[in-house]
Amino acid sequence: SAVISQKPSRDICQRGTSLTIQCQVDSQVTMMFWYRQQPGQSLTLIATANQGSEATYESGFVIDKFPISRPNLTFSTLTVSNMSPEDSSIYLCSGWDSNTDTQYFGPGTRLTVL
Amino acid sequence: RKEVEQDPGPFNVPEGATVAFNCTYSNSASQSFFWYRQDCRKEPKLLMSVYSSGNEDGRFTAQLNRASQYISLLIRDSKLSDSATYLCVVNRDDKIIFGKGTRLHILP
Repeated sequence: SAVISQKPSRDICQRGTSLTIQCQVDSQVTMMFWYRQQPGQSLTLIATANQGSEATYESGFVIDKFPISRPNLTFSTLTVSNMSPEDSSIYLCSGWDSNTDTQYFGPGTRLTVL
Repeated sequence: RKEVEQDPGPFNVPEGATVAFNCTYSNSASQSFFWYRQDCRKEPKLLMSVYSSGNEDGRFTAQLNRASQYISLLIRDSKLSDSATYLCVVNRDDKIIFGKGTRLHILP
């Protein structure tokens, strides 16, 4: 199984600023994803992080707002840019292992934008 | 219509009872299916995969009906520790789609 860590675990930010969340997997995973989960809601896929190329974004999410990097198979970053209070949420990194067809999640980053 | 739909919750069930969760998915191209469990303020964790032949893991039984595009999860002899949100998850073209989840409260 894969163990995924994220940092920071939480942050409180001022509107208009940006925050970069880091995700580290302890083993190689086939794919990495970034999700958002707002209180009482399910997970919403933001994008698939592609190694060495631009991420694939879901409808409603754009690169200018959520730039993503994945320089290698075990690390990815998500930046929340020009934040507003509506961006307050939990952001979760996940990795999918195609060998076991299992998706693993990081502990999440709880973001509050004032 | 959402791609993955689940029973609305919450379910409040006495300890020891049997609980059934239902889930439907709209895209027949979906390839694999899972149930995840999410505890309050924690990340989702895989509970079990769902196979066409049905599969069982202790008190948990999962079923898949591809013709009806329907997935179920049965929990027998429920425990207090089963209280959580149960998420139906579908893999379609390497895209993982989550249902909204059903919250379960097991009552002592």
